[in-house]
Amino acid sequence: EAGVTQSPTHLIKTRGQQATLRCSPISGHTSVYWYQQALGLGLQFLLWYDEGEERNRGNFPPRFSGRQFPNYSSELNVNALELEDSALYLCASSLGPPYSNQPQHFGDGTRLSIL
Amino acid sequence: AQTVTQSQPEMSVQEAETVTLSCTYDTSESNYYLFWYKQPPSRQMILVIRQEAYKQQNATENRFSVNFQKAAKSFSLKISDSQLGDTAMYFCAFRLGSNYQLIWGAGTKLIIKP
Repeated sequence: EAGVTQSPTHLIKTRGQQATLRCSPISGHTSVYWYQQALGLGLQFLLWYDEGEERNRGNFPPRFSGRQFPNYSSELNVNALELEDSALYLCASSLGPPYSNQPQHFGDGTRLSIL
Repeated sequence: AQTVTQSQPEMSVQEAETVTLSCTYDTSESNYYLFWYKQPPSRQMILVIRQEAYKQQNATENRFSVNFQKAAKSFSLKISDSQLGDTAMYFCAFRLGSNYQLIWGAGTKLIIKP
């Protein structure tokens, strides 16, 4: 069974640009989560999508947005990039929503570097 | 607000030794779940073990076990017979039974030396 896949592995942008990160969940998983892991910090929850809808978002500004497609893959978009957006962005998927207590399976992440 | 604290930024032990990683959390709720995730250099997060707060018995998964002290709000991870492949960042995480978000600790970098 293929795991969660993320692309690209590494993305280099400059301040003010826009970045798009992609995630393909495990087959059959309907929930997709996005996390930001900044250097020296724990994971910060960004967004949760389920069945194509945004179900919850963390404490991030509106320039962080995303969507989930009918095939349950997901995109994370970050507009007007700032230096502090440099981080590892992890995508996770689960068989059901969080309250179903299904474990989250993580991808390898996308390293976003802002120059 | 719920918080998760991992007080050990980095630990290092010899192969085959036993190591314990600490995690404390803060919540006023009674229904919640606790997790330990491992993030090796490959960066992928891997679920190691989880514990339901309503269960008194400590969870175990092969060489991994937890010491869940609900009154003290402590959830430590014990790794027995440590192996080189255990080298990774270890994250403690918490989720309310009624909420969506996993709340994460800052992580402990564990190095297993040959």
